Amino acid sequence: QVQLVQSGAEVKKPGASVKVSCKASGYTFTSYGISWVRQAPGQGLEWMGWISAYNGNTNYAQKLQGRVTMTTDTSTSTAYMELRSLRSDDTAVYYCARDLLRLGFYYMDVWGKGTTVTVSS
Amino acid sequence: DIQMTQSPSSLSASVGDRVTITCRASQSISSYLNWYQQKPGKAPKLLIYAASSLQSGVPSRFSGSGSGTDFTLTISSLQPEDFATYYCQQSYSTHMYTFGQGTKLEIK
Repeated sequence: QVQLVQSGAEVKKPGASVKVSCKASGYTFTSYGISWVRQAPGQGLEWMGWISAYNGNTNYAQKLQGRVTMTTDTSTSTAYMELRSLRSDDTAVYYCARDLLRLGFYYMDVWGKGTTVTVSS
Repeated sequence: DIQMTQSPSSLSASVGDRVTITCRASQSISSYLNWYQQKPGKAPKLLIYAASSLQSGVPSRFSGSGSGTDFTLTISSLQPEDFATYYCQQSYSTHMYTFGQGTKLEIK
């Protein structure tokens, strides 16, 4: 079955970096994109960015430009999200989601279970 | 950026009720609107895409409508498992998405 398996929880100090992985299975990885979405404790969903697994093209949310990098490794069907210069307000659950195009419409149909990133001194 | 505003922010209802959640976009987004359900501690789940298309496996009591700037998610007869938080999301700006702030549906 189609699934996205994310890496485990991380605890980081302010100013550090974190890299979260998202391993896809059950579908042709390069035929879809991957979006990353985060959710701070008790808050709503925040879209962070998108990467094409076909050609590596990316779009990032403006507020994260310069701090976030999304990459893929097609040999292992894995997507990565790296966030640098971490601050306390980066504490959140980070989700990857398969980004699907059907009949001209984009949507996120399969989600990973989430990776908790805690930023604390 | 396109802003998405949901109303209400929270809602109390009973099993069997008909419930409607509204989502408004800051500019016209045609039908590029998706709805997700999220339960505590779980990842979001896609319910509706392209404003009114039901995702495979989602019960038919869920329906979506609207186009342009105003959209609705309707649950025709609430079931106990439907108590959750619901989010709308625009995909009009290709790969530059925004979510609404969420609507928490609670048991009355």
